[in-house]
Amino acid sequence: GQQVMQIPQYQHVQEGEDFTTYCNSSTTLSNIQWYKQRPGGHPVFLIQLVKSGEVKKQKRLTFQFGEAKKNSSLHITATQTTDVGTYFCAGPRTETGANSKLTFGKGITLSVRP
Amino acid sequence: KAGVTQTPRYLIKTRGQQVTLSCSPISGHRSVSWYQQTPGQGLQFLFEYFSETQRNKGNFPGRFSGRQFSNSRSEMNVSTLELGDSALYLCASRSGLAGVTGELFFGEGSRLTVL
Repeated sequence: GQQVMQIPQYQHVQEGEDFTTYCNSSTTLSNIQWYKQRPGGHPVFLIQLVKSGEVKKQKRLTFQFGEAKKNSSLHITATQTTDVGTYFCAGPRTETGANSKLTFGKGITLSVRP
Repeated sequence: KAGVTQTPRYLIKTRGQQVTLSCSPISGHRSVSWYQQTPGQGLQFLFEYFSETQRNKGNFPGRFSGRQFSNSRSEMNVSTLELGDSALYLCASRSGLAGVTGELFFGEGSRLTVL
């Protein structure tokens, strides 16, 4: 079945450093979503990318969808302690045309040293 | 606008018991999905309901079931609990039509511990 992979699962950075993480799918995705879960919290939607090669920015966060629509990246410029949390990517399952089921990657947990 | 509400927030059960979790979606949202979150497996899709019909189902045993009511509120039930069912159960709602992917709004979850 479709797999969405995020490696590594943990990353530690010094505050102020840049951070980039990647998400890879075994199949072409119609779109990809990113969520953030703070420690002890629940996932919160960040962004959805739909077009091949699409780039979207949210303040210090930059999201990109690959040209082949099988991978995506999240880049954080000058990390802050408020960026701490687990970032998940998710893509819809399309084999049966049932686009509504989202498959989540296992997420990357970011810690930031002040 | 109230967010997604899940009850109970925490519960402790023993093996063999059953549990029912409840989810009230955002007003106007007709789709409700359920996810199981564990440290080892991450977020795993259980099922999705739209207009009282199950639209999608994940790879969980039949002990896991759910339903949706006419007011879009949803419940999930786990029977014959096992230790491995200990997890955070997350409910998510969205406004889109069935078959269209849209932003998921998650509740705070129900933390189930099975002893």
